[in-house]
Amino acid sequence: DSGVTQTPKHLITATGQRVTLRCSPRSGDLSVYWYQQSLDQGLQFLIQYYNGEERAKGNILERFSAQQFPDLHSELNLSSLELGDSALYFCASSKGPSAQYFGPGTRLLVL
Amino acid sequence: EDKVVQSPLSLVVHEGDTVTLNCSYEVTNFRSLLWYKQEKKAPTFLFMLTSSGIEKKSGRLSSILDKKELFSILNITATQTGDSAIYLCAVERKASGTYKYIFGTGTRLKVLA
Repeated sequence: DSGVTQTPKHLITATGQRVTLRCSPRSGDLSVYWYQQSLDQGLQFLIQYYNGEERAKGNILERFSAQQFPDLHSELNLSSLELGDSALYFCASSKGPSAQYFGPGTRLLVL
Repeated sequence: EDKVVQSPLSLVVHEGDTVTLNCSYEVTNFRSLLWYKQEKKAPTFLFMLTSSGIEKKSGRLSSILDKKELFSILNITATQTGDSAIYLCAVERKASGTYKYIFGTGTRLKVLA
């Protein structure tokens, strides 16, 4: 158990819908990272927040957005969902630009 | 374009064998290289390497970075079935005041009893 929690565990929704994934980092960690892992593309870095501010941006689509709240939990919002958005979404946390500890992931299925 | 390439893609060995996994990279503004083990679900952190030539060890696992030749290796000695997993290599690079992480596609290791 890494200490990072993610909810929900599984999510099934339809195309065109919007979902919110939630992540609580390990106690004391200020950085939160979001990743997408699909079978054909491997692990893709989406975005990082540090103490409430966006710190790094990877291959995140415009339909996706994220934020980190004052209590350091983070949410990843995915809108206008497409079939290709079906994937495992991981959140990770760290104390700074160093080793990241991953949560168990949210499996999203878009039908 | 930033690139992280892992080899081999897949590896099957018997318990007790030693394996070497490779990770080569081409990125600008390199900051660190990280190794992760992914079993059924979330990756778990193994090592972070920032300096060339300094070996990091944890039990039967060790790793080293060569910043001149732009690669890292992960060694696992006396493999056990519990080592079966996908091993991911990632490079952290600095970009315009922020940081980015580029992951390789991983090496799938299967250890047979």
